[in-house]
Amino acid sequence: KQEVTQIPAALSVPEGENLVLNCSFTDSAIYNLQWFRQDPGKGLTSLLLIQSSQREQTSGRLNASLDKSSGRSTLYIAASQPGDSATYLCAVKGGYQKVTFGTGTKLQVIP
Amino acid sequence: EPEVTQTPSHQVTQMGQEVILRCVPISNHLYFYWYRQILGQKVEFLVSFYNNEISEKSEIFDDQFSVERPDGSNFTLKIRSTKLEDSAMYFCASSELAGVSETQYFGPGTRLLVL
Repeated sequence: KQEVTQIPAALSVPEGENLVLNCSFTDSAIYNLQWFRQDPGKGLTSLLLIQSSQREQTSGRLNASLDKSSGRSTLYIAASQPGDSATYLCAVKGGYQKVTFGTGTKLQVIP
Repeated sequence: EPEVTQTPSHQVTQMGQEVILRCVPISNHLYFYWYRQILGQKVEFLVSFYNNEISEKSEIFDDQFSVERPDGSNFTLKIRSTKLEDSAMYFCASSELAGVSETQYFGPGTRLLVL
């Protein structure tokens, strides 16, 4: 059974700082890994998707990496802004369509 | 930009009552999903649906749950006899594909409270 863990559970940084969020998964037989952000009381917004054959994906100030063999992914956020404050979730697609979500990292960027 | 919509945004019901949660996926998407998130817990997969049938379901999705695509645009989740532990945020998602490059797009959720 796939288990997805995210460290740290919460993070508070001053505006402008670069930061790294971590995601680990137990079963390396995955189709892809997706990073989402969730704002309080809202739905999930897809940020980046990395296919199992890829090593990284970039979108603006975000960069996600994937090391399938070690069961790890990182989300790098450059020059953080208060608007980046949210909960960040990683989700691993292992089976045909089933997606397993991580525990989330709650990020607060202080102005 | 196309988006997934869900109705209602909030629903309060009495234990034992039936509820139907509605979703309108993105129009050219073929794969549909339901997830739930109990307050303070992980987002959990419930079921995926393609070509008018369930393609995968989790152990949570027992006989009290059912899904349906009653017409060309709506996708519904029915809970036949609600329990207190069904209280959660329910998210619908859709995707155009189901392979390695698939991105799932999520709706804003329906917050269900069972009293």
